[in-house]
Amino acid sequence: GEDVEQSLFLSVREGDSSVINCTYTDSSSTYLYWYKQEPGAGLQLLTYIFSNMDMKQDQRLTVLLNKKDKHLSLRIADTQTGDSAIYFCAENGNFNKFYFGSGTKLNVKP
Amino acid sequence: DAGVIQSPRHEVTEMGQEVTLRCKPISGHDYLFWYRQTMMRGLELLIYFNNNVPIDDSGMPEDRFSAKMPNASFSTLKIQPSEPRDSAVYFCASSPQGIGYQPQHFGDGTRLSIL
Repeated sequence: GEDVEQSLFLSVREGDSSVINCTYTDSSSTYLYWYKQEPGAGLQLLTYIFSNMDMKQDQRLTVLLNKKDKHLSLRIADTQTGDSAIYFCAENGNFNKFYFGSGTKLNVKP
Repeated sequence: DAGVIQSPRHEVTEMGQEVTLRCKPISGHDYLFWYRQTMMRGLELLIYFNNNVPIDDSGMPEDRFSAKMPNASFSTLKIQPSEPRDSAVYFCASSPQGIGYQPQHFGDGTRLSIL
């Protein structure tokens, strides 16, 4: 089956940029997604990118897609303590089944 | 608009008891997914439905687990008998059907503790 991989932890200082990386395997995925999970909550859709794009910017968030290397990244500019959460990348498969990575826990130090 | 609604939010019960988790998807969504999240195994897809019909239940861990979707606005995940290793957070998600951008929307989850 599809294998989506992420590093488990990232620690940054408040005000710095955070970059969370993800690799995926299914080159036929049409959309790739980033979700955010805060403690005690469900996964919240953060942003997405269409597979024909290589970059998408949405306020402090920048998504980069390297389709050749099957590499996806999420950059958060001016990281705030409220950005501390677990971030999941996901690719879509048949029947809208999603393949999620293990999640990257972002810790923002004041 | 109301999001995906799960109940109960928390459940604590003793080993051997039957547990029923409930989910109301977003109105108009044709897909419904049940996930389990643990520290050890991360987020696992248990089963999903399309138009109330189970499509893939290969993630259901054992026969003790069963899921139903009697209509478009309600689904249940049942564990009978429950065991301590079933302790986890269970999420329900729904998504629309169609080609293109169709993200999954998650509920807040049910935190299940089996003593």
